Amino acid sequence: QVQLVQSGSELKKPGASVKVSCKASGYSFTNDAVNWVRQAPGQGLEWMGWINTYTGTPTYARGFAGRFVFSLDKSVNTAYLQISSLEADDTAVYFCARAGGSCSAADCFCRNWGQGTPVTVSS
Amino acid sequence: QSVLTQPPSVSGAPGQRVTISCIGSNSNIGARFDVHWYQQLPGTAPRLLIFGSTNRPSGVPERFSGSKSGTSASLAITGLQPEDEANYYCQSYDNSLGAFVFGTGTEVTVL
Repeated sequence: QVQLVQSGSELKKPGASVKVSCKASGYSFTNDAVNWVRQAPGQGLEWMGWINTYTGTPTYARGFAGRFVFSLDKSVNTAYLQISSLEADDTAVYFCARAGGSCSAADCFCRNWGQGTPVTVSS
Repeated sequence: QSVLTQPPSVSGAPGQRVTISCIGSNSNIGARFDVHWYQQLPGTAPRLLIFGSTNRPSGVPERFSGSKSGTSASLAITGLQPEDEANYYCQSYDNSLGAFVFGTGTEVTVL
């Protein structure tokens, strides 16, 4: 069955960096994009962007370019989210999700989800 | 602030029918982009409930259905069950923002 397993919770100080992993199994990894979604404490879902798992090309939503980087290691079917210069406002749960439809054609949804990785930024 | 507006909460007794609206505009739902719906139980990851405005993935009960008309979409839950208590989010694409967007979210309470 399809599974996306994310790395565990992180506690970081402001200014540090964090790298969240998302290991996919049960399907052909390079066939479907991976979306990244943020959920701040007590808040709704916020789409961060997606990465084309065939070409490795990332697309970032407004507000997520610069300090946020999507990457892949296709040899281990894993997508990564790296956040640098962490701020308190980055405290959230970060989800990866296998895409359904075609993200490049503006017709994309989150078919299967990882369990989420809580990231806490505190001094 | 999301460009897709949902009611903050809806409630119903077990067995009743409830609907959740997702109000958009001519740059998203009205531009014929599909609407998708997710259910998020407390403390868990979201789960896909409806894709392509009206389609249910395998494993999703038939009591969940989606519709779309004009600049809005709706999720209906018929025969409400206690396990349906959750937050529900719509999602679409907005061509003014050039981005995928989630709705503001709706908390469903089973009385």
